[in-house]
Amino acid sequence: AQSVTQLGSHVSVSEGALVLLRCNYSSSVPPYLFWYVQYPNQGLQLLLKYTTGATLVKGINGFEAEFKKSETSFHLTKPSAHMSDAAEYFCAVSERSGGSYIPTFGRGTSLIVHP
Amino acid sequence: NAGVTQTPKFRILKIGQSMTLQCTQDMNHNYMYWYRQDPGMGLKLIYYSVGAGITDKGEVPNGYNVSRSTTEDFPLRLELAAPSQTSVYFCASSYQGNPEAFFGQGTRLTVV
Repeated sequence: AQSVTQLGSHVSVSEGALVLLRCNYSSSVPPYLFWYVQYPNQGLQLLLKYTTGATLVKGINGFEAEFKKSETSFHLTKPSAHMSDAAEYFCAVSERSGGSYIPTFGRGTSLIVHP
Repeated sequence: NAGVTQTPKFRILKIGQSMTLQCTQDMNHNYMYWYRQDPGMGLKLIYYSVGAGITDKGEVPNGYNVSRSTTEDFPLRLELAAPSQTSVYFCASSYQGNPEAFFGQGTRLTVV
């Protein structure tokens, strides 16, 4: 069984500061890991994903995440926050089971950016 | 360039009424999913389908039904609406062998 824990339902940063959103997962097999972003009244869009290969993955809008198997983590970072980054962020894990991929989502972290 | 399309975007239902949330995708994806999103709870899987004619329950299927007669369409049916079904519903799809899911814009449902 797979699960995702996002630490902190809200993260508040100043514009220009480092963004760090935490995600830990559990999976019985090598997982696929994702970060999605949701802007107000919109659907989810993919920020970045880890499938295989390089453990540091880069996504859109300057975000990146590092897969650390030993820590079962996939934290999302951005060196310098922008006002437009304010949104809800979801970490998700998907493992192959019987030929199917069924994504499981964390509870989400709301990123607040102060001027 | 439509992707995953959900209709309607908003709906208010009275307790006991029924409705169907429509979802269609034009990417020829064989996997489709229905999630509900409640504040602070993330997304919970209601039902999913791995291809036409095949559906299976997710984490929170009670009170819902689905069908998958074509690759493109995956409607979600609420037979007897209850206030607990007030939520935002998202449909998503993905292609076999690729775990990335593509989402629709959501349907905001209120049951009063």
